[in-house]
Amino acid sequence: QKEVEQNSGPLSVPEGAIASLNCTYSDRVSQSFFWYRQYSGKSPELIMSIYSNGDKEDGRFTAQLNKASQYVSLLIRDSQPSDSATYLCAVNTPGNTPLVFGKGTRLSVIA
Amino acid sequence: GAVVSQHPSWVICKSGTSVKIECRSLDFQATTMFWYRQFPKQSLMLMATSNEGSKATYEQGVEKDKFLINHASLTLSTLTVTSAHPEDSSFYICSARSGGGADTQYFGPGTRLTVL
Repeated sequence: QKEVEQNSGPLSVPEGAIASLNCTYSDRVSQSFFWYRQYSGKSPELIMSIYSNGDKEDGRFTAQLNKASQYVSLLIRDSQPSDSATYLCAVNTPGNTPLVFGKGTRLSVIA
Repeated sequence: GAVVSQHPSWVICKSGTSVKIECRSLDFQATTMFWYRQFPKQSLMLMATSNEGSKATYEQGVEKDKFLINHASLTLSTLTVTSAHPEDSSFYICSARSGGGADTQYFGPGTRLTVL
């Protein structure tokens, strides 16, 4: 059974702080990792993908991957109230299978 | 990024009627499309996976005769909710992925179904 675990939150951070979102996965052969953002009442939106160990930066977002620890994280620098949303971690394994999603972490950025 | 559209964005229907939802990939060919359902304050739930030209693969507990999926072309998949009941009211979201080993899934904006 492939599982992706996330802390459901809510994670509350003050405006301007760094928000750190974490995700662990169970299937060691997982090869692709994604972070989606979902605002209330909307569909998920892809914000980051990462395939190799280490960090990947895109604007205020940094994804971190550690395959040995089966751990993925997303850092949001200079958090804004508009970042308040549920963040979904998703993992893919080889083959034509759907992404396995975590249940999401709800982030609240307080102005 | 790749664009996926859905139509309609919302629909209200009477109990017992059927509703068709369309999902289109606008700027890429979607070899595989996925249909999800999401109830308020709950997680995404995968309903089925469809590959172009093949029958859909349904997740356990999803009635294939109630939720008809057709993936007739590389840019269009449809979900038909047959004989809808109030408990089918939900947010239905499609997702598409191109072929050739690509594994990124792009989501449509979703369709909010309300069955009276």
